Amino acid sequence: AQSVTQPDIHITVSEGASLELRCNYSYGATPYLFWYVQSPGQGLQLLLKYFSGDTLVQGIKGFEAEFKRSQSSFNLRKPSVHWSDAAEYFCARSGGYNKLIFGAGTRLAVHP
Amino acid sequence: DAMVIQNPRYQVTQFGKPVTLSCSQTLNHNVMYWYQQKSSQAPKLLFHYYDKDFNNEADTPDNFQSRRPNTSFCFLDIRSPGLGDAAMYLCATSSGGAEAFFGQGTRLTVV
Repeated sequence: AQSVTQPDIHITVSEGASLELRCNYSYGATPYLFWYVQSPGQGLQLLLKYFSGDTLVQGIKGFEAEFKRSQSSFNLRKPSVHWSDAAEYFCARSGGYNKLIFGAGTRLAVHP
Repeated sequence: DAMVIQNPRYQVTQFGKPVTLSCSQTLNHNVMYWYQQKSSQAPKLLFHYYDKDFNNEADTPDNFQSRRPNTSFCFLDIRSPGLGDAAMYLCATSSGGAEAFFGQGTRLTVV
């Protein structure tokens, strides 16, 4: 079955440190892949997406993600985290029939 | 420029009293979704419309219904809310196969 796994439930980093959030997807065919961010009490905002082509994709707010077919991964990275990046991050893949399949999310805390 | 608008942002309803949440979009997308998100969980798809075609998820309770009178509007009706239905309800749209655009959500409290 199609699924998305985010192995890290919580991550804490210091402000200015680098960040990598992990995401793995199941099922062989290359899906469309997305990263969304959700601040408390808010909806989801799209950070970036991968459909095809260059496996390193740039997004908003200084985020990037790399698609690795061999590892079925789509990890999100940022070289220097800001306190405002504290939020919940969801990785998602396209499913059948216009659906999105979400991972369980990773909650990011940023220490000053 | 809000593109997916949900009203109200916060809704308090009584146990068993029907409640309707609304969603409108200015993107002219043909797909509209309703998700339920409980605290510290991923959004869970309840149903979606592809144009006027309604698609219910297999595990969506009968207590949840939806209407889409036109391209721009979609409603979520909860016929008899229980305490377990307290959640954030997210509306989203897409042009089919591409990314989804989410509204700000409606936080439902059941008292």
